[in-house]
Amino acid sequence: GAVVSQHPSWVICKSGTSVKIECRSLDFQATTMFWYRQFPKQSLMLMATSNEGSKATYEQGVEKDKFLINHASLTLSTLTVTSAHPEDSSFYICSASATGGAWTEAFFGQGTRLTVV
Amino acid sequence: QKEVEQNSGPLSVPEGAIASLNCTYSDRVSQSFFWYRQYSGKSPELIMSIYSNGDKEDGRFTAQLNKASQYVSLLIRDSQPSDSATYLCAVNSDYKLSFGAGTTVTVRA
Repeated sequence: GAVVSQHPSWVICKSGTSVKIECRSLDFQATTMFWYRQFPKQSLMLMATSNEGSKATYEQGVEKDKFLINHASLTLSTLTVTSAHPEDSSFYICSASATGGAWTEAFFGQGTRLTVV
Repeated sequence: QKEVEQNSGPLSVPEGAIASLNCTYSDRVSQSFFWYRQYSGKSPELIMSIYSNGDKEDGRFTAQLNKASQYVSLLIRDSQPSDSATYLCAVNSDYKLSFGAGTTVTVRA
């Protein structure tokens, strides 16, 4: 399968600071990238869908001003958690697909464990 | 997101047995279906995709899809301790993946 690299794999930050997470497709061009959040013992919840060169589409209940997504190139999307608070502590995972179409498989990055103290 | 339902488990099976996982989905127009395996603390790993009604086999894994019943399943034959993980059913709707809560499988030696 295709390789998606996510960085950092874990981060601890102080409350009120911002954290940037990178998601890169290493061997294919990702027209669409997805950002998920997963709390312990729960399933993945889609936060937003980003398409290269356009604004991200956020799921209902996700604050777009708090979770800033940039998809400036076909191989890189970033998620910035602004003014992080302890309740933002979670496992953040990106995935990427080549076309975003119904038949395209999505491949996941390694995930980023965010802890806000 | 569209609804995807799975039994949360845990499903405990002896080594060498068949593990059977089920998933139902609500969006009738969904066209593609996936099974992911997720080890604790790790991100999901794609193990099977299926797009047409019927069975699809890949090694010890068999996915079954019945669009009329809005049902997709995964069979793991000759289960191994390394198969112990949470298995997530995912359905592509509106060019987005919706995930079930996952079924935790424990293979006991």
